[in-house]
Amino acid sequence: GESVGLHLPTLSVQEGDNSIINCAYSNSASDYFIWYKQESGKGPQFIIDIRSNMDKRQGQRVTVLLNKTVKHLSLQIAATQPGDSAVYFCAEKYQGAQKLVFGQGTRLTINP
Amino acid sequence: NAGVTQTPKFQVLKTGQSMTLQCAQDMNHNSMYWYRQDPGMGLRLIYYSASEGTTDKGEVPNGYNVSRLNKREFSLRLESAAPSQTSVYFCASKISGSKETQYFGPGTRLLVL
Repeated sequence: GESVGLHLPTLSVQEGDNSIINCAYSNSASDYFIWYKQESGKGPQFIIDIRSNMDKRQGQRVTVLLNKTVKHLSLQIAATQPGDSAVYFCAEKYQGAQKLVFGQGTRLTINP
Repeated sequence: NAGVTQTPKFQVLKTGQSMTLQCAQDMNHNSMYWYRQDPGMGLRLIYYSASEGTTDKGEVPNGYNVSRLNKREFSLRLESAAPSQTSVYFCASKISGSKETQYFGPGTRLLVL
């Protein structure tokens, strides 16, 4: 079946640098995408979402980009801080579906 | 608001034992979900309830049952636990309609020996 996946399972960045976490999806019928952050021992925490009728959406220090042509989703974190260390998951919702399909996750590590 | 709460936080079971994982939300959400998370994997949907009185299977329903007790509570039951059910279980909820964001509880860590 179609699924959401991630290009890199781990990512290390220097504190203060920008981070980019990528996600590929294969279902062209997906109409909603979302990024979650999961810190060790905790449940996933909502970061930002985007609908398929948009290409870009910005939040506080985070930006999600959606490229429907190549079925690619990315999360950009500006000026990465130690508190950004976590596993980041993307998820998609198929059009008309009630549920989200999650990717494997990327672990982001911040180097001092 | 407490958001989504789950009990217990940790549990150790022997193979064949049964238990119920509890989940409650105080956000007046209509839809509730149960996921499991295994090492190195994303979240996989076990069961969900789109509204009070309805439940549907997700990706990995075998070995589980659910009950949507009322609008606030959605429980997950393991009738005869197996080692393959060792995992971290997350409950989530969302309001219906165009809002798709699911909000997650802190998780229940289950070890089946």
